[in-house]
Amino acid sequence: DVKVTQSSRYLVKRTGEKVFLECVQDMDHENMFWYRQDPGLGLRLIYFSYDVKMKEKGDIPEGYSVSREKKERFSLILESASTNQTSMYLCASSLLGGGMNTEAFFGQGTRLTVV
Amino acid sequence: AQSVTQLDSQVPVFEEAPVELRCNYSSSVSVYLFWYVQYPNQGLQLLLKYLSGSTLVKGINGFEAEFNKSQTSFHLRKPSVHISDTAEYFCAVSSSGSARQLTFGSGTQLTVLP
Repeated sequence: DVKVTQSSRYLVKRTGEKVFLECVQDMDHENMFWYRQDPGLGLRLIYFSYDVKMKEKGDIPEGYSVSREKKERFSLILESASTNQTSMYLCASSLLGGGMNTEAFFGQGTRLTVV
Repeated sequence: AQSVTQLDSQVPVFEEAPVELRCNYSSSVSVYLFWYVQYPNQGLQLLLKYLSGSTLVKGINGFEAEFNKSQTSFHLRKPSVHISDTAEYFCAVSSSGSARQLTFGSGTQLTVLP
C-alpha cells in the first residue's frame, strides 16, 4: 500500500513562531504536494515539487515555503505563523506524468491551530 | 483554466435510501475526473476515477459515477447508503493528465441518518 505519513496529527503554535510540517512517502513518487483545507473552500494547493530541490508555487503560496532535500520527504514551513494560517494541512504524492499516474495519495492531515 | 463546482454543500439522507452527489466541471481540453472521500479527521481516499473508456465508473464501497461530456458532469451515486458513508466527498478534475493540475471542488458533506 502507498503510504504518505505526516509527522503530526495536531499542532498548536503561537503567533510568530516558525513551524515545520513534515511529510514522508514510501512509494518512490516524484511529485509531492502541500494543500490547505478550509470549510467551504475545498483543497487549495500551496506548493508542489516534482523532484528533489525543485518546487513550484501553487495557488496560495504567500506566507509559506517548502523544502525537498530527499525524494521521499517534503516539508512545509511557516516562517512566522499567523492566526489566519489555522487550518488543516494535507500532504499528497503521485507519480510523474499523466494518465494512470494522475491519482494523488494523501496523508492523514495535520490540524494546525495558531494562537 | 479548469474549475469544479459541487452543487450541494450538505446532503442529508436516510439510511438505505439512494443518494446522488453532483459535480460539474469546466475545462477546454480533455479531462480526468476523480471522487475522493474524507472521513472525520482523516486524509482523502480515492473512491473512483475516470481516465478514459466507459463513461460509467465503479468505485469502492458500492459507489459509481457517470461521466457526461455534453453536460460536463461527473455525478456520484450510491443506490443504498449506510451510516458508515457519512463523510465529506470531493470531486476533482485534472485537464493536463498531470496531478499538478488537480483542482478540487469545495466538497459535499453527506450525512446518513438512522
